[in-house]
Amino acid sequence: GAVVSQHPSWVICKSGTSVKIECRSLDFQATTMFWYRQFPKQSLMLMATSNEGSKATYEQGVEKDKFLINHASLTLSTLTVTSAHPEDSSFYICSAPSPGAILNEQFFGPGTRLTVL
Amino acid sequence: AQSVTQLDSQVPVFEEAPVELRCNYSSSVSVYLFWYVQYPNQGLQLLLKYLSGSTLVKGINGFEAEFNKSQTSFHLRKPSVHISDTAEYFCAVSDRSARQLTFGSGTQLTVLP
Repeated sequence: GAVVSQHPSWVICKSGTSVKIECRSLDFQATTMFWYRQFPKQSLMLMATSNEGSKATYEQGVEKDKFLINHASLTLSTLTVTSAHPEDSSFYICSAPSPGAILNEQFFGPGTRLTVL
Repeated sequence: AQSVTQLDSQVPVFEEAPVELRCNYSSSVSVYLFWYVQYPNQGLQLLLKYLSGSTLVKGINGFEAEFNKSQTSFHLRKPSVHISDTAEYFCAVSDRSARQLTFGSGTQLTVLP
């Protein structure tokens, strides 16, 4: 199946700094990618939909200025957590829909563990 | 809009015993249904999916699920579990026009020796 990678797999940063997380579709193109956030022992919550060539669509309650999304190419979307604080510590997962099909399937990245000190 | 309810947050079961993880959904339109597995500190792996056709769907690792439209359920089953099946399992739904997934709260399956 299609492969989605994320980088880094884990990151520790100081409060107030910004952190960039990359999501890449390795062997297919993705005009749309999704960013999820997962707190410990909880489900995945959709944060935003990343759209290549246009602005991201954010879910209700997600701060656009805090979580900057850029879909730079058909294989790369980035999530930047700006001015990170300890409450932003979480597991961030991206996904991309199956390429060129009407069959709805998502391929998920391995996730990025963010810890803000 | 859709919603998904996973009725059991934790399911402990002994090795080689059968298991059923329950999932109910709510939607005003036709949906696609999915089960994903997540091992610690990893992303999600697709176990199986229902798109159309036969209501009994077989997936990887010996899992299967049955779509029941009248009961709006999509329960996951395995006749004999292994220690390696210990993981978090998520049921998810999407409508047939969107590509977004709505996840249930997850069920932690723990297989005991």
